[in-house]
Amino acid sequence: DIQMTQSPSSLSASVGDRVTITCRASQSISSYLNWYQQKPGKAPKLLIYAASSLQSGVPSRFSGSGSGTDFTLTISSLQPEDFATYYCQQSYSTPEFTFGPGTKVDIK
Amino acid sequence: EVQLVESGGGLVKPGGSLRLSCAASGFTFSSYSMNWVRQAPGKGLEWVSSISSSSSYIYYADSVKGRFTISRDNAKNSLYLQMNSLRAEDTAVYYCAREREVYDILTGYSFRWFDPWGQGTLVTVSS
Repeated sequence: DIQMTQSPSSLSASVGDRVTITCRASQSISSYLNWYQQKPGKAPKLLIYAASSLQSGVPSRFSGSGSGTDFTLTISSLQPEDFATYYCQQSYSTPEFTFGPGTKVDIK
Repeated sequence: EVQLVESGGGLVKPGGSLRLSCAASGFTFSSYSMNWVRQAPGKGLEWVSSISSSSSYIYYADSVKGRFTISRDNAKNSLYLQMNSLRAEDTAVYYCAREREVYDILTGYSFRWFDPWGQGTLVTVSS
């Protein structure tokens, strides 16, 4: 089974900050990596698919990069509505769509 | 508007059963694989089960295999999750999610992701 890890598990940042979240797979997953945003009490929302493709309607301040085992989600300028928990998900070893443990971004 | 609406959650005793439903609208339901994902209180996301568009392929997480059954009715645009022999550790919000797929011509595999997700329905297993 492919295991996913994320770092950090939480971070505090200010509006306007550049934020980087890392996701690592236990084996190579090529570019089969997705990112989701979840706000408290709400369903997850797709941000990035195939490691770097921005979902329609998602602000361009969000970007994804990486391949193989190491991936990054970057928020170029953090906005108030971006405070949330972010999850990565591998889709290489389907149907086991493994999620990372999440990274909570809160206000400094 | 593409929409998924779950229902059927509630409080059930250990060993009991519950059937979740997910009503789809705004897209051709019969063309997409569908999934259930759950989230225990204060925890992360866990994929539970998936079903292909014609129900030909069905998969389960090891944690629910033999106890949960996924099904769909394309005529009713509905997805279901029959949950039997429920345990305290099954307590979670259950989300249904549409699976999107794009074929990767370079590798012969498909990129897959979940979009959209329903709002979720809470299942609580407690005596």
